[in-house]
Parts: sequence; structure tokens; C-alpha cells
Amino acid sequence: GNSVTQMEGPVTLSEEAFLTINCTYTATGYPSLFWYVQYPGEGLQLLLKATKADDKGSNKGFEATYRKETTSFHLEKGSVQVSDSAVYFCALKEDDKIIFGKGTRLHILP
Amino acid sequence: GAGVSQSPSNKVTEKGKDVELRCDPISGHTALYWYRQSLGQGLEFLIYFQGNSAPDKSGLPSDRFSAERTGGSVSTLTIQRTQQEDSAVYLCASSFGTGVYEQYFGPGTRLTVT
Repeated sequence: GNSVTQMEGPVTLSEEAFLTINCTYTATGYPSLFWYVQYPGEGLQLLLKATKADDKGSNKGFEATYRKETTSFHLEKGSVQVSDSAVYFCALKEDDKIIFGKGTRLHILP
Repeated sequence: GAGVSQSPSNKVTEKGKDVELRCDPISGHTALYWYRQSLGQGLEFLIYFQGNSAPDKSGLPSDRFSAERTGGSVSTLTIQRTQQEDSAVYLCASSFGTGVYEQYFGPGTRLTVT
């Protein structure tokens, strides 16, 4: 079946550093891809998405590009802030359910 | 407007007891989803409803787990004869419909089985 693999954390960076969280997927066809974020004490929320190859999703300074040739959807941000500390989940849509990666915990130090 | 709400927020139960977890979706959302978040397994799909019907129950881990939805609104996830491995955060999500519509998640119910 379809699956998502993302880099294990925790990832610790200093404020204003460049962030990459790697994500690759295995799927039949070309599913929609997502990044979800879970801030401390809050519910899961959609950060960005891409629905077809070469699409770029972006939100709050984060970006991810749907790469079908490498089956990847890496999350990037040019300059992270302390407020970006959270758990990030890469995911894909299979039929009507979402398949999630294990999550990557991100700590940003001031 | 109001988001997805879940109750209780925390539940501690003894092994072997039955528990019911409730989800109130966003008003007007016809699709409702249940997921489970546990340390060992990450975030897993359990079941989803379109209206009151459950087209996909493939994620329910055993026949101790069941769910229903009535009136196209509130849903209840029931776990019978709870086991310690059932300890997890149970998340509910709803969406305007299936397919391309975004799923909005509730805050979850943290279940601890002692």
C-alpha cells in the first residue's frame, strides 16, 4: 500500500537557520501531498499541500514541491523562528483517507 | 465558527472496560474521519463516514473497535474490553465532502488504559 517516510527527529536549529525536513512517498498514481503541523498543546492543522506533480505548496514561509521523479515532497523554510517549534507530518491522500508519516519534531533555539 | 470538538479531552480507564469517545464535526460537514495517534504507530486512519455510512472501515484494528454516526452529525467511537495497547490520542476530523476537501482536525481525546 501507499506509505510516507520522513526524516526522524528531533531536529534542533537556531533561529534564522535554514530548514529542510525530508519526505518521500510510495504510491500508485499521483496522490495529493500534504504537510501538517501540530504546535504544542494544539490540534493538527494543514500547513500546505500540492495536488499534482511540480506543484509548489507554500504557507507561512514554508514551501514544498511535488517531485514525481524522486517521489519526494521536502519541506523547506529559509529562516525559522522560535514559534515554528512543533511536530511536522508529511502525508498523502489515498482515496478519502490520509496516510501520515511518523512526524518530525522541530526545536528552534532563540 | 466552531471547529471540530471532541469529548472527553482525557479518559483514564481500567483494562477490560468499554469506552466511548465522541466527535462533533463542523456544522455542514458531511464527511467525518477517525484517526489514532500513538507513540509506536504514529498517526493511523481508523474509519470514515460519508453521511451516516462508513465506506471504509479498513483501519479499525480489531473487532473491539466500532463507530457509528447518527443524523449525519455526531459520531461515537467505541472500544470494548480495552487493552493497554489501545492507549493513544484519538483524533476526529471532518470535511465538507470527500475527495478534494480539506480535513479539519479536532483536539483529540487522550485515552489511557491502566
